[in-house]
Amino acid sequence: DAGVTQSPTHLIKTRGQQVTLRCSPKSGHDTVSWYQQALGQGPQFIFQYYEEEERQRGNFPDRFSGHQFPNYSSELNVNALLLGDSALYLCASSLVTGAYNEQFFGPGTRLTVL
Amino acid sequence: SQQGEEDPQALSIQEGENATMNCSYKTSINNLQWYRQNSGRGLVHLILIRSNEREKHSGRLRVTLDTSKKSSSLLITASRAADTASYFCAPLSGSARQLTFGSGTQLTVLP
Repeated sequence: DAGVTQSPTHLIKTRGQQVTLRCSPKSGHDTVSWYQQALGQGPQFIFQYYEEEERQRGNFPDRFSGHQFPNYSSELNVNALLLGDSALYLCASSLVTGAYNEQFFGPGTRLTVL
Repeated sequence: SQQGEEDPQALSIQEGENATMNCSYKTSINNLQWYRQNSGRGLVHLILIRSNEREKHSGRLRVTLDTSKKSSSLLITASRAADTASYFCAPLSGSARQLTFGSGTQLTVLP
């Protein structure tokens, strides 16, 4: 049973560039959430996708956008990168019908913006 | 959604000792979840306790919930070096679907 996978593992970009991160949910899951984790902090919720639509969003600017595909995989796009976007980006999957919203996390993508 | 606040921020113990960390929250919850994160990696779900439960066990883990005090505690018994990690709580209220984390408790287990 494959868990949540993310790619790439590490990424280095420069300010102003754009980046796309990818996530495949745990088998059987239909909901994908994205989190940003700065060094020494807890993960912060970016948004959640279900049925290919953004259903909930945290306090992040429009530079952060996403997409969910029919196979439930998801992408996170960040435009006009800032130094402050350097962080670990975590993807989590869950089942919309799950009673308790237990989420399964991937290993993350470490983004460094120079 | 609401954020849990973990306490202490850092905890250092010897292998074999017990480790206790606490979580406080502000409003009523449906359930509260604990997660572990090894350095720079993804979070691992440890245990979920529902609002109508007071205590739950899973292996060496024991979680308690006191809804009157709006607090939870996670006890790790007979700690091992492999337990070294950050621990986060996530209280869930109402129809909230996203998890909201505090800064966590950094546990170091010394061999």
